[in-house]
Amino acid sequence: DAGITQSPRYKITETGRQVTLMCHQTWSHSYMFWYRQDLGHGLRLIYYSAAADITDKGEVPDGYVVSRSKTENFPLTLESATRSQTSVYFCASSEEGTDYGYTFGSGTRLTVV
Amino acid sequence: GQSLEQPSEVTAVEGAIVQINCTYQTSGFYGLSWYQQHDGGAPTFLSYNALDGLEETGRFSSFLSRSDSYGYLLLQELQMKDSASYFCAVRGGTGGFKTIFGAGTRLFVKA
Repeated sequence: DAGITQSPRYKITETGRQVTLMCHQTWSHSYMFWYRQDLGHGLRLIYYSAAADITDKGEVPDGYVVSRSKTENFPLTLESATRSQTSVYFCASSEEGTDYGYTFGSGTRLTVV
Repeated sequence: GQSLEQPSEVTAVEGAIVQINCTYQTSGFYGLSWYQQHDGGAPTFLSYNALDGLEETGRFSSFLSRSDSYGYLLLQELQMKDSASYFCAVRGGTGGFKTIFGAGTRLFVKA
């Protein structure tokens, strides 16, 4: 199916564990993004990528790692999960050119216990 | 850095007009976007203003004043389904892809 998909939809993990959130898009969009959403903070940019093998930090990158070996995939890894990383994580993609809006995935609700 | 201010909540009556304001501070400004998000859903793109003035898309309009670092989203003929959170977002950074979102405005539409 065409679109942007995130997996898993829900995840519970323990403090200190490594966890990877997956994001896959079928449009061959150049740009991809990871945001986290917490009550009262709106959406905060974690990392973004302009193309395969090109990534850059956003507002809140600490504790997260990203990679982009293929254009269609942009996984987000929490190297050692902490309770403060409990959040809803949204992946998004965009065509090149700033006139285009971002298309968001359905989100992953992550709980760190 | 970049920061945005928007009201936390707005309440309006069905059929009315409501304006949601957004002021921003940023470097390397490319434009102002607006997104809608229903509870439990993903944000969806509504509009984008790169230049000063009003952009109209159906019942929704968005305005930008770059000199005032200010914009607004105007929703006309409000419907119950418009009850949602609305986010303004500033495009900045290199190439305009470091997009920072405001904290969101929760719109309640009453019958």
